[in-house]
Formats: sequence, structure tokens, C-alpha cells
Amino acid sequence: DAGITQSPRHKVTETGTPVTLRCHQTENHRYMYWYRQDPGHGLRLIHYSYGVKDTDKGEVSDGYSVSRSKTEDFLLTLESATSSQTSVYFCAISESRTGKDGYTFGSGTRLTVV
Amino acid sequence: QQQVKQSPQSLIVQKGGISIINCAYENTAFDYFPWYQQFPGKGPALLIAIRPDVSEKKEGRFTISFNKSAKQFSLHIMDSQPGDSATYFCAASKAGANSKLTFGKGITLSVRP
Repeated sequence: DAGITQSPRHKVTETGTPVTLRCHQTENHRYMYWYRQDPGHGLRLIHYSYGVKDTDKGEVSDGYSVSRSKTEDFLLTLESATSSQTSVYFCAISESRTGKDGYTFGSGTRLTVV
Repeated sequence: QQQVKQSPQSLIVQKGGISIINCAYENTAFDYFPWYQQFPGKGPALLIAIRPDVSEKKEGRFTISFNKSAKQFSLHIMDSQPGDSATYFCAASKAGANSKLTFGKGITLSVRP
């Protein structure tokens, strides 16, 4: 999607290893979000950020940490990957906190933990 | 507690038919109700949205109907096309600090040629 890039697009990792997913935006939007998508669960918020160095937890934050040292980058780290973290991860950006102008999503990262 | 519930879980419609997806919400503080569309291998994208001060909003073949007293809103796709086959998410958010979009679980729509 224009203005937002996720990397890598696919990753296979072993249980217990650390993993970092990157979200990069060129829109200069203040708000950034990490979601995971799983069958039967839809989109669930992991963490979000409302500015550089300002982050907060979502509904499924256990086992995840985030960092935002620059407006354009929002990193999601799995400290010690588990099989339950196998999922598709989406980053989203928005101009406003309430998202009333809509969220723009990246194309996702498919993570497999073996 | 799931704050936004979608139904049905999946939907199959013939080309040219009307697709109807429903969403019910719990929190009366919600004041913004968007629908997102997701194609395989892509991220969700905003399709159409409504606020509770109107009962209906139409954009091309897509219409949102909103029923505040029943705490429900629905997406209608007129003249459904195979290209409409996708996953659809309803969502909701409320005004104020710390507000974020809460998504439903999504439904898969298949439009048969």
C-alpha cells in the first residue's frame, strides 16, 4: 500500500528466538498500530503509538514489545517467539487517534514459528 | 467480551444479487462505524463509514444502514460482482482520549459468477 511498508513479508523462525518486524511510513502520520489477524479472531490490536517514544498496549500485548524512535518507523518485537504467535501481522497508520479518517494498512507480514 | 459482532460468518451470493452483512455493537459510546474490505494477501482498506447522526450512507453500490436503537449497522452491496469477493470487517470507535478502532471478526463474501 502506498505510504506504508512492512518488512519482511514472510518469515519462518524457531521457537524461542527473538523476532523483529518493521513498519515504515512516508505519510508523516502520528498514529501507528500493530494488529495480528488469525482465523476466527479477526483483527486484534497488539500495541499502538501516538508519537515518537509514546506507545501503549492493546488487547493482546503479552509476549510483544514495540519501539518508535522515529515518526516513520514502528518496530514490533517478539522477545521469545512461540507457536501461538504464528499469525499475519498488520501495521496501520492514521492521522487521528480515533481513526475517523480511516486507517491505512500495510500488506502484512506472515510469521510462522516452528 | 466482544464489542463488535458480525453476522453471518460467511456469505455466498450470486452475481447481480444483494449482499447484506450485519454488525451489532455493545458500547453506546461508539460514534463512528466503518467497514473495511480485505482481498487475499492484502491489508484491509476503508470501504465506507457512517456516524450515528444519519441512518444511511450510500457510495456507489455500497450502502451502510444504521439503527441506533437496535445498536446495529449493516453493509449492503447492490449488484454484487465476483470482484467483490473479499473479507469484510465492521469496526467501531468512540470519541475521546485513547480511542481506537475495535474490529469485528470479519466475514468472507463469495460472489458466484
